[in-house]
Amino acid sequence: DQQVKQNSPSLSVQEGRISILNCDYTNSMFDYFLWYKKYPAEGPTFLISISSIKDKNEDGRFTVFLNKSAKHLSLHIVPSQPGDSAVYFCAASGRAGGTSYGKLTFGQGTILTVHP
Amino acid sequence: DTEVTQTPKHLVMGMTNKKSLKCEQHMGHRAMYWYKQKAKKPPELMFVYSYEKLSINESVPSRFSPECPNSSLLNLHLHALQPEDSALYLCASSQEGPNSRTDTQYFGPGTRLTVL
Repeated sequence: DQQVKQNSPSLSVQEGRISILNCDYTNSMFDYFLWYKKYPAEGPTFLISISSIKDKNEDGRFTVFLNKSAKHLSLHIVPSQPGDSAVYFCAASGRAGGTSYGKLTFGQGTILTVHP
Repeated sequence: DTEVTQTPKHLVMGMTNKKSLKCEQHMGHRAMYWYKQKAKKPPELMFVYSYEKLSINESVPSRFSPECPNSSLLNLHLHALQPEDSALYLCASSQEGPNSRTDTQYFGPGTRLTVL
């Protein structure tokens, strides 16, 4: 049972435009959400997070939106740059299924390509 | 500084070998993690250490043996592995660990393990 889903395997965007990456989750016990960026053969790099008590968090070009009623979050990158091309994972934690907060459940990832 | 270091970067071993993966962080974080990532899949949690004590074991086979010698170091001892254990092994650390609702995990670059 995949509790965190990124339904778009890939996204292609023109440089300077907005990139919107989406993530859905099924377990209402998740209450902390994170986005990571990953280049090939490297570890995930933390980008931005949001707690379930908020609906928006912004850090520079990155904004994460959380819609708890829809169990949906999105990452907006604006303006997009070629260096943003990578795999983006959303992850969730919470006391879901009897686990503690230490366990991150990841989505399958979305490959973002930003064209010059 | 959010650096987690891992050695070696690459490791090739036979099924009868014994080897160890090492992870180090100097951020004063109290929790450390091992994840396994297969190609085109998200990271999967293996173990969590909190305050140098094993906190979570995700039913990992005993051929993987974690060790936390001190708060800055985390090892993963490998013995009698199978070819299907070939993967990217990621270490992460976080400030507080499984008792913190909004704890962010920071990842190292990973060790690419190939079992022949």
